[in-house]
Amino acid sequence: LAKTTQPISMDSYEGQEVNITCSHNNIATNDYITWYQQFPSQGPRFIIQGYKTKVTNEVASLFIPADRKSSTLSLPRVSLSDTAVYYCLVGEANNAGNMLTFGGGTRLMVKP
Amino acid sequence: EAQVTQNPRYLITVTGKKLTVTCSQNMNHEYMSWYRQDPGLGLRQIYYSMNVEVTDKGDVPEGYKVSRKEKRNFPLILESPSPNQTSLYFCASSLSNGGRHEQYFGPGTRLTVT
Repeated sequence: LAKTTQPISMDSYEGQEVNITCSHNNIATNDYITWYQQFPSQGPRFIIQGYKTKVTNEVASLFIPADRKSSTLSLPRVSLSDTAVYYCLVGEANNAGNMLTFGGGTRLMVKP
Repeated sequence: EAQVTQNPRYLITVTGKKLTVTCSQNMNHEYMSWYRQDPGLGLRQIYYSMNVEVTDKGDVPEGYKVSRKEKRNFPLILESPSPNQTSLYFCASSLSNGGRHEQYFGPGTRLTVT
């Protein structure tokens, strides 16, 4: 079961690009990497998922190097509303069982 | 509207008094899961279910029970709650595999055990 390590917190300013890295040294061959965003008093919300290389959607990009031992969530031009906790999740993709472990999360503070 | 609902949203109870937190999803998802969230510990999986009548332990199953008799419902049962189960609980569901597909989370249940 892959364990994940993320920075505890990060600060940024409005309009900047933010990159949050997650380490997952013992990721398994079939594991996917998923990022979630959580606001206070709410459940986490899916942001993006990838397996290798780069994935981009309307809100973020996910960069995964060839060895897949880490991944970087990139948020372009953050705003105050991006202040939240971001979780990296590395999950087993097989159907025999699917225990999941979230990382500790990265608290992002966006300042004006 | 596609959603995961949990009830109750807030609960204060006493040690040893059995309680059930309900979870329901309307997306016909096969995979459902319960998590607890504590300060400094992030989200930890309690139990998960791959489909009806198929459940398995997550990281922290001690003191909890679950059942999956219907596809849409996945209740969390605390037979004899203790203060260390005071936490914020989230139910989630996904299409099939929670690591492969997007999980949809409920709004959370804040439980206090005195």
